[in-house]
Formats: sequence, structure tokens, C-alpha cells
Amino acid sequence: VVLTQSPATLSLSPGEGGTLSCRTSQRSTSYVAWYQQRPGQPPRLLMYDAGNRAPGVPDRFSGSGSGPDFTLTISSLEPEDVATYYCQQRSNRPLFTFGPGTKVDFK
Amino acid sequence: QVHLQESGPNLVKPSQTLSLTCKVSGGSITTDDYYWSWVRQQPGKGLDWIGYVSHTGSTYYNPSLESRVTISVDTSKSEFSLKLTDVTDTDTALYYCARTYDISTYWFFDVWGRGTLVAVSS
Repeated sequence: VVLTQSPATLSLSPGEGGTLSCRTSQRSTSYVAWYQQRPGQPPRLLMYDAGNRAPGVPDRFSGSGSGPDFTLTISSLEPEDVATYYCQQRSNRPLFTFGPGTKVDFK
Repeated sequence: QVHLQESGPNLVKPSQTLSLTCKVSGGSITTDDYYWSWVRQQPGKGLDWIGYVSHTGSTYYNPSLESRVTISVDTSKSEFSLKLTDVTDTDTALYYCARTYDISTYWFFDVWGRGTLVAVSS
């Protein structure tokens, strides 16, 4: 089971919005989770079940989609949003797989 | 709130065994709703799930590492551990422990330790 994320890098101006994509090789995947990893920090859960925000996550982050295509949208980029974003899926067994990540930075 | 803290040697020699422990504080390790995972991140790379353990000792591993991995739990100490045998330089990574909710159709990794860097070198 493979996850692909695009783009590899997303450069946005402060206040600009953008969309990150995640595609699974397993069409039956019902949802993905999204994580944010700021430089030098551990990952932080952003979204689960594709569209549910984790506690404390600002509402400028939203998620949607169903297998095989999922998206994470940042409506208005803040300085603290500069990070790498990973999608994750679970397959039977269980086996958790992360995508290669999308790096979001300032234009 | 729940806090996780990894500990263990930062340097391991090739062919030896990497051993790490994750201390769980601020909450119970014996909850039925959660599993306890290890995830690693090789330098400049993405995240790889190694495996997880329940508080009863049930384990599930990533097939890519299964032959070398053992994850165990010690509820009396509120900690869980990782052992990775026969390490090579490709096992050099930042190792994270994480709390994993995996019940029915819902799953996520909601609490993470800060990570500990382990280098494999002679």
C-alpha cells in the first residue's frame, strides 16, 4: 500500500490559501489522517477520519476526500503553518503507512 | 495530559541491538482504547511505523522490520520498550514513541514523544 503526496513543496504567501493532495494505492481506504511536523519538532495530529480536526487545530485547516484521493486545505497561511505535512493510512493487519510529505513554506 | 518521553542509548554499534524505552505519564497506559507505537524518521526522510503494543502485551509489527523487532510493555512502570536487533547504518534515525487510538473504524496517533536520535556507528 503506497501513499503519494503532491506537490512535494508548496510555496505560499502569508494569508494565501493552498491545497495538499494525498492519493492512496488502495481505493478501499476509507479515510486518512494528516500530521503537521514543524522543523525540529515531533509530528502533530491535525486531522483524522479525513475531515475531523484534532483538538486545538485551527479551523483554517480542513480535510476532505475518500479513497483514493484526499485533500488538506489551509485557508490562510500563518507563519506557524510552515511545516511538512504527512498523510497516513491504515491497512489490514494492521499496518500504518505515511506519505512522503508536502513541505509548506513561504513564497 | 498524557506525556511520552523516550530514553535510551544514542549510539549503537553495527550488528548490536538498539533498545529504547518510552515512559508514559499524565495518564494510564492500561486503557483499552489505545495502543503504544514506535515510529522512526531516518535523516531527512519521512515517517515509518515500526509497530505497536497493547497494554495486555499484544503486538503488531511492520512486516519490513518484523524479523528484527520486539515491542513490549511494563504496566507496573507505565512504560513500553523497543528492541531492534542486528542494526546497520540504515537504522540511524530519530525514534518517536506515540499513543495510537485504533478502535473499530477510527484510528490516529494523537500524542507523540519528542523523539530520540539513535546513530548506528562503530
